[in-house]
Amino acid sequence: DVKVTQSSRYLVKRTGEKVFLECVQDMDHENMFWYRQDPGLGLRLIYFSYDVKMKEKGDIPEGYSVSREKKERFSLILESASTNQTSMYLCASSYRTDGYTFGSGTRLTVV
Amino acid sequence: AQSVTQLDSQVPVFEEAPVELRCNYSSSVSVYLFWYVQYPNQGLQLLLKYLSGSTLVKGINGFEAEFNKSQTSFHLRKPSVHISDTAEYFCAVSHSNFGNEKLTFGTGTRLTIIP
Repeated sequence: DVKVTQSSRYLVKRTGEKVFLECVQDMDHENMFWYRQDPGLGLRLIYFSYDVKMKEKGDIPEGYSVSREKKERFSLILESASTNQTSMYLCASSYRTDGYTFGSGTRLTVV
Repeated sequence: AQSVTQLDSQVPVFEEAPVELRCNYSSSVSVYLFWYVQYPNQGLQLLLKYLSGSTLVKGINGFEAEFNKSQTSFHLRKPSVHISDTAEYFCAVSHSNFGNEKLTFGTGTRLTIIP
């Protein structure tokens, strides 16, 4: 089974902190994605990557950056966390039209 | 640009009754369509997908969906639901552009099964 592992299930950070969310997949997928999930808004795409060192903005990239130095790892960075970034963050990877495989999510609370 | 509309945010259904969760999409090009399920405190899991061919697609856990191009719909159905089907269901669409499988998701439908 393809596995997508997110390093933390729950995270609490203070306003202004720099936050790193890590995601690792073990099936050599080229495509990786970061979404945030909020009640009533569904999933919104933050950033995605089709290959190592490549990244593209999604629909809501403001306040976020990403890093993909190795094929299996895709990191989401909150440069200066704010309370409106409190959310569930979901990482996913995919191969062609197989559909996404999601991680279990990281519930981030910024206080 | 593509978009997905899930008209029903919450659907309560009695156990063993049938259910239909509605999904409509808009896109100017050919699309791929997906349904995902999210159980409490978990990530999303693929239920089924339509890429091409037969418009009736069967997935896991007894679910099926029908692609209707003229109505731009991809409704999810199950003839008899179980308590374990309680979850949130997301419809998603992507352009059928090889190498670009970026998905756009709907806002989700919360299915509650009443014993």
